[in-house]
Formats: sequence, C-alpha cells, structure tokens
Amino acid sequence: EDQVTQSPEALRLQEGESSSLNCSYTVSGLRGLFWYRQDPGKGPEFLFTLYSAGEEKEKERLKATLTKKESFLHITAPKPEDSATYLCAVLGYSTLTFGKGTMLLVSP
Amino acid sequence: GAGVSQSPSNKVTEKGKDVELRCDPISGHTALYWYRQSLGQGLEFLIYFQGNSAPDKSGLPSDRFSAERTGGSVSTLTIQRTQQEDSAVYLCASQLAGGGDTQYFGPGTRLTVL
Repeated sequence: EDQVTQSPEALRLQEGESSSLNCSYTVSGLRGLFWYRQDPGKGPEFLFTLYSAGEEKEKERLKATLTKKESFLHITAPKPEDSATYLCAVLGYSTLTFGKGTMLLVSP
Repeated sequence: GAGVSQSPSNKVTEKGKDVELRCDPISGHTALYWYRQSLGQGLEFLIYFQGNSAPDKSGLPSDRFSAERTGGSVSTLTIQRTQQEDSAVYLCASQLAGGGDTQYFGPGTRLTVL
C-alpha cells in the first residue's frame, strides 16, 4: 500500500524566514510526485510534478526536490500570501495517494 | 478557460436522506476523479472514470456511494441514506488523459449531515 507522510503538520514562520516542508513516501513504482497548495474553502491548486530522484523544480519562492524516499518543498523568504496548506501526493501503479498536508502560516 | 466546477458548494442534509453532488470537468479532459476530504485527513480517493472504460470504484467506502459520468463529461456522485460520518468536503478533479498528468481540482462541495 502506498503511503505518504508529511511533516510538520503545521509550521509558523515570520515573513522572510525560509524553511522546508517534508514529504516522505513509500510507493510501488513511483510514476510521479505532486505538490499542491490548498487555501481554506478551495480545492487543491497544482504546483509541481517531479518524476525522478534528483529532479528539482522552482516557481517564484518555492522549490521542490525529490529523492528516492522523500521530497522537500523549500520556501525562500516567504510572504503572508504563501500561507496555505501544502499537500504532497504520489502516483504509483494505481491511483494518487495524498498526505495529510502541512499547514503553513506566514506572519508579517 | 473554465476550470472544474462543482455544485452545490454547500449541502446540509438530514441523516437518512439521499444527496447528489455534481462535477463539471474541464472540457476535453477524459479522466475524472472523486475524492473525499475530512477534517485533519488527507484526500481519500473514491472513484475514477477514464474515457469509456469501466470506472475504478475501489475507493468507494460502502454501497451507499455511487457515481455516474454521462457522455464522458458531467459526473454525479450520489450518497444514499446519508450518515453523519459522510460529512466532509467532496472534491472532483479532471485530468487531460490520465496516468501521470496533472489533476485539476474543483472547489469542492461541503456536505454536512445532521
């Protein structure tokens, strides 16, 4: 059974304080690892897809990296508008398996 | 272009009643998924439609749950004889062709069973 564990469950940062979110996974045949952002009352919004260990992708203040066992979402100099829940999901042989998310709060 | 839409946005019902939730996927997307998101839990896969193939119903929690996709487009998730534990946000996602493609999510329907 595919499993995804995200840590921490919640993270509070000051504006400009860089940090990383972790996504550890076990999957039978990784076909892709996805990061989503979810704002309260809304559906998840796609951020990145990573397909193989060593791959990195960036978008504005976010950078996602992938190893054979985990992925990190690095947030550089975050702003209050980066506050959201960040979801990680892995695609194995069947369907997408989601973690429970990390709730990020960035204070001004 | 238009994204995935869902209706209603909120639904409050009494225990034992049936409810129908609707999803309009992105035009041209062949794959459609339903998920359930409960407070403090990750997204739980319910059912997957891909083109004209038989749907993958492996995530449906009980026989009270069913879904249809008409004409390869709009989908309806039906919950019969609702229970309080069915209270959750029900999310729909569509995907261009399935597999490793990006899934695009709708805003969800928040279901509350009293």
